[in-house]
Amino acid sequence: NAGVTQTPKFQVLKTGQSMTLQCAQDMNHNSMYWYRQDPGMGLRLIYYSASEGTTDKGEVPNGYNVSRLNKREFSLRLESAAPSQTSVYFCASSRLVFGQQNSPLHFGNGTRLTVT
Amino acid sequence: KQEVTQIPAALSVPEGENLVLNCSFTDSAIYNLQWFRQDPGKGLTSLLLIQSSQREQTSGRLNASLDKSSGRSTLYIAASQPGDSATYLCAVQGGSEKLVFGKGMKLTVNP
Repeated sequence: NAGVTQTPKFQVLKTGQSMTLQCAQDMNHNSMYWYRQDPGMGLRLIYYSASEGTTDKGEVPNGYNVSRLNKREFSLRLESAAPSQTSVYFCASSRLVFGQQNSPLHFGNGTRLTVT
Repeated sequence: KQEVTQIPAALSVPEGENLVLNCSFTDSAIYNLQWFRQDPGKGLTSLLLIQSSQREQTSGRLNASLDKSSGRSTLYIAASQPGDSATYLCAVQGGSEKLVFGKGMKLTVNP
């Protein structure tokens, strides 16, 4: 049982380049999320999808776009990368949004992105 | 705006001690509180989820309690082991807010 799978694991970009981070879950979860984790800042929500067909902004959405491709897949796109987007990006999923009705979040192992 | 605090930021203890990890939050109108563990270079693993109507949850050597009125949760780890070394994070969901995470507490259990 793979759980939440993120690709790639590592990426180095130059300022201005674009890329898409991929995420897939095999738990038939309705809700999916993208977080970034920075030293001293903790985990911050970028975007989330409460259910297939919907997406909503989180705390730090600027510079990012998302696509809920189907129930399994939720991608995060950086259109023009900036050094401030250097971070570790985590995808997560849960049966119901934000853990409601005893459905905790399950996380992938992260993508470590460096923008030079 | 909900704020979640975990103090201290780091703790180092000898093996075998019983531990209490603290989490405090500013808005008591919550739906649930979740405890996670994060190993270096890995994602977060869910440990326990306490719904707002519950007072505590237990899993093996872990017990989490919730006191909404005082804005506090504790994670109790019995008979700590070196394998318990990790960063522990709590997160709170409430009202119109998304899940808000604390910054975590790095635990080191020394053999």
